[in-house]
This record gives sequence, structure tokens and C-alpha cells, in this order.
Amino acid sequence: AQSVTQLGSHVSVSEGALVLLRCNYSSSVPPYLFWYVQYPNQGLQLLLKYTTGATLVKGINGFEAEFKKSETSFHLTKPSAHMSDAAEYFCAVQNIQGAQKLVFGQGTRLTINP
Amino acid sequence: EAGVTQFPSHSVIEKGQTVTLRCDPISGHDNLYWYRRVMGKEIKFLLHFVKESKQDESGMPNNRFLAERTGGTYSTLKVQPAELEDSGVYFCASSLHGGTGELFFGEGSRLTVL
Repeated sequence: AQSVTQLGSHVSVSEGALVLLRCNYSSSVPPYLFWYVQYPNQGLQLLLKYTTGATLVKGINGFEAEFKKSETSFHLTKPSAHMSDAAEYFCAVQNIQGAQKLVFGQGTRLTINP
Repeated sequence: EAGVTQFPSHSVIEKGQTVTLRCDPISGHDNLYWYRRVMGKEIKFLLHFVKESKQDESGMPNNRFLAERTGGTYSTLKVQPAELEDSGVYFCASSLHGGTGELFFGEGSRLTVL
């Protein structure tokens, strides 16, 4: 069975500071990996995804994530936080064999301090 | 182009009552998914339709939940009778392709069972 752990249900950073949201996964087979973001009163929006190829994946709004197989991690980063980045972020995995469903982590709420 | 729409946005019912949630996917998207987030926990998969057929319903919690997608367009999720633990946010998502095709999520339907 697959699982996802997001370290820190709440993360707070200052505007302009580095954003680092941690995600570790457990999977018996190499998974596909995703980060979704949910802004207030909106649905989940895909930030970026890793399927194959380059392990450093760039997404929208200046975010990127690196797939590290040896560490079973897929941490999300952004060099400089903006007030508009305040949202809840979800890491998810998908089994590349068989089931297409996503398995989500518990989410990390990001707060940006002025 | 309209996104995934869900109705109602918020429903408050008493234990034992029935509630029906509706999801209209993006036009032309054959794949439709239901997910649920119970407060403070991760988003969990409920089921997946391909057109009008249930591809995977392994996440449906029990037989009080009934999902339908007649005609392969919109979908309904009925909870009957509702229990306190059914409270949460129900998300619908659709995708053009299965596999790693991007999922487009609706804003969710918040269900409160008193």
C-alpha cells in the first residue's frame, strides 16, 4: 500500500524567505508524484508532477520539487515566498501500475508573514 | 471553458437524513473521481468512473454511499442515512485521460451532519 507523509501541518515563513514543504512517500513500486495547492474557496490545482525523466520538476508560480528515490522524498521549494502563496499544499502519489487513484498526504497550510 | 462544478457548496443535515451531492465534470472528460476529506485528515479516494462505468470503487466507506453517473455526464453521490462521521468536504475531479492525466478538481461540497 502507498502512503504519503507531509512533515508539518502548518508552516510559516516571512515574505521573501525560502519555502520548503516536506513530503515523504512509501510505495512498493516507483510512483508518480504530485503537488497540489488549494487557495481559499477554490478547488485543488496541480502545481507540478513527476512521472519520469528529470528528477527536478518545475511547476507554476515559481515552485519546484525534486524526486529523491534514495530518500523517498519529493519536497516542494520556492526561493522567495510571496503573500499570494498562502494556501494549503498537498503531496500525492499515484501507482504507475493498475489503480489510477491518488493517495494524498494530510496537507500543509502555508502562512506568509509580511 | 467551465471547470468542474459541485453542488451544493455546503449542506447541513441531521443524522439519519439523506443528502445528494452533484458533480458536473469538464465537458468531454470521461474520467470522474470522488474524494473526501474528513476534518484534519488526508484527502481520501472514494471512487472512479470512466464514462458511466465504475472503474474503481474501493474507497467507498460502506453501503450508505451510492454514486451514479448516468449517461456518463454528471455524477451524484448520495449518502443515506447520513452519520456524524460522514461530515467533511467531498471533492469531485475529472480528467480527459486516465493514468497520469491531470485531474481538475471542483471546489468541493462541505457536508455537516449534526
